[in-house]
Amino acid sequence: DVKVTQSSRYLVKRTGEKVFLECVQDMDHENMFWYRQDPGLGLRLIYFSYDVKMKEKGDIPEGYSVSREKKERFSLILESASTNQTSMYLCASSLGFTISYEQYFGPGTRLTVT
Amino acid sequence: GQQVMQIPQYQHVQEGEDFTTYCNSSTTLSNIQWYKQRPGGHPVFLIQLVKSGEVKKQKRLTFQFGEAKKNSSLHITATQTTDVGTYFCAVASGGSYIPTFGRGTSLIVHP
Repeated sequence: DVKVTQSSRYLVKRTGEKVFLECVQDMDHENMFWYRQDPGLGLRLIYFSYDVKMKEKGDIPEGYSVSREKKERFSLILESASTNQTSMYLCASSLGFTISYEQYFGPGTRLTVT
Repeated sequence: GQQVMQIPQYQHVQEGEDFTTYCNSSTTLSNIQWYKQRPGGHPVFLIQLVKSGEVKKQKRLTFQFGEAKKNSSLHITATQTTDVGTYFCAVASGGSYIPTFGRGTSLIVHP
C-alpha cells in the first residue's frame, strides 16, 4: 500500500511566521503535489514536483514555495504566514503527473494562522 | 487551470434513495477521475474513465463518461450511511495535462 504521511495533523502559527509543511511518500513516486482545500472551493493545486529539485507552479502559488531535495520528501513553505492561508493542506503523490495517474493523498494538515 | 463545474454542491438524501453528481466541462476532456473523501478523511481514488460513452460499475456506484467527453456522472443506487462524504471529479483537457479538481458534491445520508 502506498503511504503518504504529513508531518502534522494540526498546526497553529502566528502571522508573519515561516511555516514548513512536510510530506513523505514511501512508494518511490516521481511526482508529488501540494493542494489546499477550503470549503466550497474544492482542491486547488499550489505546486507540484515531477522529480528531485524540479517544481512547477499550480493554480495558486502566490505566498508559497516548495522544496524537493529527496525523492520521497516534498516540503511546502509559507515564507510569511498570513491569516488567509488558514486552510487544510493536502499532499499527494503519483507515478505520473498527468490525469492518467491515480493520486494518493496524505491525511492533511489543518493550519490555522492567527 | 481547466474549468470544471460539479453539481450539486450538496445533496441530502434519505437512506435507500439514489444519488447522482455531475461534472461538466465546456471543453473536451482527455479523461476523468473520481475521488471520494469521507468526513475528516482525505480523498481516495475511485475510478478513471477514458473512452467516450464509457460506463463503469463498482457495486452500487455507476460512473459514466459522456459521448462528447465533456461531462461525467457518478450515480449511487440505494444510498447507505457509508456513502456519506464529498465526491470530487478531476479532469484535464487539451494541452493541460495536470489534473484540476471540481469543487465537489457533499452527500449527506439521513438514516
